[in-house]
Amino acid sequence: GENVEQHPSTLSVQEGDSAVIKCTYSDSASNYFPWYKQELGKRPQLIIDIRSNVGEKKDQRIAVTLNKTAKHFSLHITETQPEDSAVYFCAASPGLGGTASKLTFGTGTRLQVTL
Amino acid sequence: NAGVTQTPKFQVLKTGQSMTLQCAQDMNHEYMSWYRQDPGMGLRLIHYSVGAGITDQGEVPNGYNVSRSTTEDFPLRLLSAAPSQTSVYFCASSSGRWATGVGKLFFGSGTQLSVL
Repeated sequence: GENVEQHPSTLSVQEGDSAVIKCTYSDSASNYFPWYKQELGKRPQLIIDIRSNVGEKKDQRIAVTLNKTAKHFSLHITETQPEDSAVYFCAASPGLGGTASKLTFGTGTRLQVTL
Repeated sequence: NAGVTQTPKFQVLKTGQSMTLQCAQDMNHEYMSWYRQDPGMGLRLIHYSVGAGITDQGEVPNGYNVSRSTTEDFPLRLLSAAPSQTSVYFCASSSGRWATGVGKLFFGSGTQLSVL
Protein backbone atom coordinates (compact mmCIF):
# COMPACT_ATOMS: atom_id res chain seq x y z
CA GLY A 1 0.00 0.00 0.00
CA GLU A 2 0.84 3.67 -0.04
CA ASN A 3 3.46 5.01 2.36
CA VAL A 4 3.80 8.74 3.06
CA GLU A 5 6.82 10.14 4.87
CA GLN A 6 6.81 13.68 6.28
CA HIS A 7 9.64 15.91 7.49
CA PRO A 8 10.43 17.60 9.77
CA SER A 9 8.44 16.35 12.73
CA THR A 10 8.81 19.72 14.48
CA LEU A 11 9.54 23.15 13.06
CA SER A 12 10.02 26.41 14.89
CA VAL A 13 10.11 29.70 12.98
CA GLN A 14 9.94 33.35 13.92
CA GLU A 15 6.89 35.35 13.00
CA GLY A 16 7.20 36.64 9.47
CA ASP A 17 9.59 33.92 8.33
CA SER A 18 8.70 31.16 5.87
CA ALA A 19 8.07 27.52 6.74
CA VAL A 20 8.47 24.51 4.47
CA ILE A 21 7.22 21.00 5.13
CA LYS A 22 8.14 18.13 2.83
CA CYS A 23 6.50 14.81 2.05
CA THR A 24 7.36 11.82 -0.11
CA TYR A 25 5.04 9.07 -1.26
CA SER A 26 5.63 5.56 -2.60
CA ASP A 27 2.70 4.71 -4.90
CA SER A 28 3.13 6.15 -8.38
CA ALA A 29 -0.64 5.75 -8.92
CA SER A 30 -1.42 8.41 -6.28
CA ASN A 31 -2.80 11.53 -7.90
CA TYR A 32 -4.34 13.68 -5.16
CA PHE A 33 -2.33 15.35 -2.39
CA PRO A 34 -4.12 17.36 0.31
CA TRP A 35 -2.75 19.14 3.36
CA TYR A 36 -4.59 19.32 6.66
CA LYS A 37 -4.09 21.62 9.62
CA GLN A 38 -4.96 20.49 13.13
CA GLU A 39 -5.02 22.99 15.95
CA LEU A 40 -4.62 21.74 19.50
CA GLY A 41 -7.65 19.73 20.57
CA LYS A 42 -9.45 20.26 17.28
CA ARG A 43 -10.27 18.19 14.22
CA PRO A 44 -8.05 18.21 11.11
CA GLN A 45 -9.20 20.65 8.44
CA LEU A 46 -8.25 20.81 4.79
CA ILE A 47 -6.19 23.89 3.94
CA ILE A 48 -4.99 23.23 0.41
CA ASP A 49 -4.77 20.38 -2.07
CA ILE A 50 -3.21 19.61 -5.43
CA ARG A 51 -3.91 17.09 -8.14
CA SER A 52 -1.28 15.35 -10.23
CA ASN A 53 -1.92 17.35 -13.37
CA VAL A 54 -0.78 20.54 -11.60
CA GLY A 55 2.75 21.36 -10.45
CA GLU A 56 1.98 24.20 -8.07
CA LYS A 57 -1.02 25.78 -6.37
CA LYS A 58 -1.20 28.88 -4.24
CA ASP A 59 -3.79 30.28 -1.87
CA GLN A 60 -2.77 33.57 -0.25
CA ARG A 61 0.15 32.77 2.09
CA ILE A 62 0.18 29.02 1.51
CA ALA A 63 1.36 27.11 -1.53
CA VAL A 64 1.91 23.51 -2.45
CA THR A 65 4.33 22.12 -5.02
CA LEU A 66 4.33 18.64 -6.53
CA ASN A 67 7.10 16.73 -8.27
CA LYS A 68 5.56 13.51 -9.62
CA THR A 69 8.82 12.25 -11.05
CA ALA A 70 10.52 12.38 -7.68
CA LYS A 71 7.30 11.52 -5.82
CA HIS A 72 7.47 14.39 -3.39
CA PHE A 73 5.35 17.39 -2.54
CA SER A 74 5.81 20.32 -0.22
CA LEU A 75 3.82 22.90 1.74
CA HIS A 76 5.12 26.45 1.84
CA ILE A 77 3.82 29.04 4.30
CA THR A 78 5.07 32.59 3.87
CA GLU A 79 4.91 35.49 6.33
CA THR A 80 4.05 33.14 9.17
CA GLN A 81 1.77 34.34 11.94
CA PRO A 82 1.13 32.97 15.46
CA GLU A 83 -2.20 31.52 14.30
CA ASP A 84 -0.27 29.29 11.89
CA SER A 85 0.97 27.32 14.91
CA ALA A 86 -0.56 23.84 14.59
CA VAL A 87 0.17 20.32 13.42
CA TYR A 88 0.19 19.93 9.64
CA PHE A 89 -0.45 16.62 7.88
CA CYS A 90 0.21 15.76 4.28
CA ALA A 91 -1.70 12.94 2.61
CA ALA A 92 -1.93 11.02 -0.64
CA SER A 93 -4.86 9.40 -2.38
CA PRO A 94 -4.56 6.16 -4.35
CA GLY A 95 -6.44 7.56 -7.31
CA LEU A 96 -9.67 7.00 -9.11
CA GLY A 97 -13.07 5.60 -8.32
CA GLY A 98 -14.63 5.00 -4.95
CA THR A 99 -11.30 4.82 -3.14
CA ALA A 100 -10.18 8.27 -4.24
CA SER A 101 -10.95 9.50 -0.72
CA LYS A 102 -8.93 6.74 0.94
CA LEU A 103 -6.17 9.00 2.19
CA THR A 104 -2.84 7.84 3.60
CA PHE A 105 -1.44 10.46 5.97
CA GLY A 106 2.06 11.44 6.92
CA THR A 107 3.04 11.49 10.59
CA GLY A 108 2.60 15.24 10.97
CA THR A 109 4.72 18.35 11.52
CA ARG A 110 4.27 20.49 14.61
CA LEU A 111 4.83 24.08 13.54
CA GLN A 112 5.47 26.69 16.20
CA VAL A 113 5.58 30.34 15.25
CA THR A 114 7.36 32.43 17.85
CA LEU A 115 7.05 36.17 18.33
CA ASN B 1 -26.25 21.38 8.40
CA ALA B 2 -24.23 19.75 11.21
CA GLY B 3 -21.55 18.11 9.01
CA VAL B 4 -20.00 15.05 10.66
CA THR B 5 -21.24 14.26 14.17
CA GLN B 6 -19.39 11.87 16.47
CA THR B 7 -20.44 10.55 19.84
CA PRO B 8 -19.30 10.21 22.54
CA LYS B 9 -16.53 12.82 22.92
CA PHE B 10 -14.86 10.92 25.76
CA GLN B 11 -15.05 7.29 26.88
CA VAL B 12 -13.23 5.16 29.43
CA LEU B 13 -13.43 1.39 29.09
CA LYS B 14 -12.05 -1.55 30.98
CA THR B 15 -10.09 -4.20 29.12
CA GLY B 16 -12.47 -6.65 27.48
CA GLN B 17 -15.46 -4.34 27.31
CA SER B 18 -17.15 -3.61 24.02
CA MET B 19 -18.61 -0.38 22.74
CA THR B 20 -19.75 1.44 19.63
CA LEU B 21 -18.55 4.84 18.47
CA GLN B 22 -21.27 6.61 16.54
CA CYS B 23 -20.75 8.68 13.40
CA ALA B 24 -23.35 10.44 11.29
CA GLN B 25 -23.11 12.90 8.40
CA ASP B 26 -25.80 15.01 6.79
CA MET B 27 -23.98 15.96 3.59
CA ASN B 28 -25.11 12.93 1.55
CA HIS B 29 -21.49 11.84 1.21
CA GLU B 30 -20.83 8.47 -0.34
CA TYR B 31 -17.48 7.92 1.34
CA MET B 32 -17.00 7.51 5.10
CA SER B 33 -14.02 6.37 7.10
CA TRP B 34 -12.59 5.92 10.57
CA TYR B 35 -9.06 6.96 11.59
CA ARG B 36 -7.19 6.65 14.83
CA GLN B 37 -4.65 9.26 15.87
CA ASP B 38 -1.72 8.36 18.10
CA PRO B 39 1.20 10.63 19.03
CA GLY B 40 3.91 10.58 16.39
CA MET B 41 1.97 8.24 14.11
CA GLY B 42 -0.35 10.54 12.27
CA LEU B 43 -3.81 9.41 11.25
CA ARG B 44 -4.13 5.73 10.45
CA LEU B 45 -7.10 4.32 8.54
CA ILE B 46 -9.11 1.66 10.35
CA HIS B 47 -12.05 0.97 8.02
CA TYR B 48 -13.77 2.78 5.22
CA SER B 49 -16.94 2.62 3.14
CA VAL B 50 -17.63 3.81 -0.40
CA GLY B 51 -21.41 3.52 -0.01
CA ALA B 52 -24.24 1.88 1.89
CA GLY B 53 -23.65 -1.84 2.23
CA ILE B 54 -19.97 -1.62 1.22
CA THR B 55 -17.09 -1.61 3.71
CA ASP B 56 -13.42 -2.47 3.54
CA GLN B 57 -10.39 -2.66 5.79
CA GLY B 58 -7.80 0.04 6.13
CA GLU B 59 -4.30 -0.09 7.57
CA VAL B 60 -5.16 -1.07 11.17
CA PRO B 61 -8.50 -2.99 11.17
CA ASN B 62 -7.83 -5.63 13.84
CA GLY B 63 -10.14 -5.41 16.85
CA TYR B 64 -12.69 -3.20 15.07
CA ASN B 65 -15.88 -3.86 13.10
CA VAL B 66 -17.97 -1.53 10.96
CA SER B 67 -21.21 -1.63 9.03
CA ARG B 68 -22.94 0.84 6.72
CA SER B 69 -26.66 0.23 6.51
CA THR B 70 -27.48 3.83 5.51
CA THR B 71 -25.65 6.62 3.69
CA GLU B 72 -25.70 8.76 6.83
CA ASP B 73 -24.35 6.42 9.53
CA PHE B 74 -21.07 4.59 9.94
CA PRO B 75 -20.60 3.16 13.46
CA LEU B 76 -17.32 1.70 14.68
CA ARG B 77 -17.49 -1.25 17.08
CA LEU B 78 -14.73 -2.26 19.46
CA LEU B 79 -15.27 -5.94 20.07
CA SER B 80 -13.10 -6.51 23.15
CA ALA B 81 -11.24 -3.36 24.16
CA ALA B 82 -7.48 -3.53 24.78
CA PRO B 83 -5.10 -0.88 26.19
CA SER B 84 -3.49 -0.66 22.72
CA GLN B 85 -6.77 0.82 21.49
CA THR B 86 -6.35 3.88 23.68
CA SER B 87 -6.38 6.65 21.10
CA VAL B 88 -8.29 9.53 19.57
CA TYR B 89 -10.74 8.33 16.94
CA PHE B 90 -11.93 10.46 14.05
CA CYS B 91 -14.74 9.76 11.65
CA ALA B 92 -14.55 11.46 8.25
CA SER B 93 -16.69 11.71 5.14
CA SER B 94 -16.22 12.85 1.57
CA SER B 95 -18.12 13.20 -1.64
CA GLY B 96 -17.58 10.30 -4.04
CA ARG B 97 -17.56 12.48 -7.14
CA TRP B 98 -14.69 14.55 -8.50
CA ALA B 99 -17.01 17.41 -9.38
CA THR B 100 -18.14 17.80 -5.78
CA GLY B 101 -14.88 17.24 -3.97
CA VAL B 102 -13.81 13.64 -3.82
CA GLY B 103 -10.83 13.29 -1.53
CA LYS B 104 -11.73 16.33 0.55
CA LEU B 105 -12.34 14.80 3.96
CA PHE B 106 -14.62 16.41 6.51
CA PHE B 107 -13.77 15.22 10.01
CA GLY B 108 -15.91 14.80 13.09
CA SER B 109 -14.79 16.35 16.37
CA GLY B 110 -13.17 13.14 17.60
CA THR B 111 -13.57 10.65 20.45
CA GLN B 112 -10.92 10.35 23.14
CA LEU B 113 -10.94 6.70 24.21
CA SER B 114 -9.02 5.31 27.16
CA VAL B 115 -8.84 1.58 27.84
CA LEU B 116 -7.67 0.65 31.32
